[in-house]
Amino acid sequence: GENVEQHPSTLSVQEGDSAVIKCTYSDSASNYFPWYKQELGKGPQLIIDIRSNVGEKKDQRIAVTLNKTAKHFSLHITETQPEDSAVYFCAEEGAQKLVFGQGTRLTINP
Amino acid sequence: EAGVAQSPRYKIIEKRQSVAFWCNPISGHATLYWYQQILGQGPKLLIQFQNNGVVDDSQLPKDRFSAERLKGVDSTLKIQPAKLEDSAVYLCASSPEMGRPRGANVLTFGAGSRLTVL
Repeated sequence: GENVEQHPSTLSVQEGDSAVIKCTYSDSASNYFPWYKQELGKGPQLIIDIRSNVGEKKDQRIAVTLNKTAKHFSLHITETQPEDSAVYFCAEEGAQKLVFGQGTRLTINP
Repeated sequence: EAGVAQSPRYKIIEKRQSVAFWCNPISGHATLYWYQQILGQGPKLLIQFQNNGVVDDSQLPKDRFSAERLKGVDSTLKIQPAKLEDSAVYLCASSPEMGRPRGANVLTFGAGSRLTVL
């Protein structure tokens, strides 16, 4: 079955620095990989996604890279700001449903 | 457009009691999902509806959990009797179309219902 491993579980960076979160998946048939941001007391919100026919996708300060051979994908946040503090989840699409990683709590220190 | 509405936001019950959660998806969304999010973990799919039919309930503990989506709009998730390990946030999500949750068919989540079982 599908399984997504996400690391690290917690990440603390200085404001302005970059943050990287990595995920590894097991289902070689998966070809859609979204990232969700969850703020305290709210539901997860999609921030960026990537399909398997693309190696990298950028949207302003966030980017996602995908290595299908190694079955891992990463979220990159540059020039971090206090409002980036949240829990981030990667996910893979398997059998028409999303399977989520365990989450990374990102803290931006002023 | 209005988001996914859920109620109640918080519920505290004792074990072996029952509880029900309600979800109103975004208007016109065909697919509705219930996820369970235990503290410190990612959301886990419990059940997926397309209109008022069940697509996937393979991870729903059917001896105690039930869900319905009457008329293909609102949905309720019930737990009876509750166990301590049911303490979690129950997230409802919806997407516009049937099929793969990707591209324009992204999931929109509600704020969730936090359940504490004592």
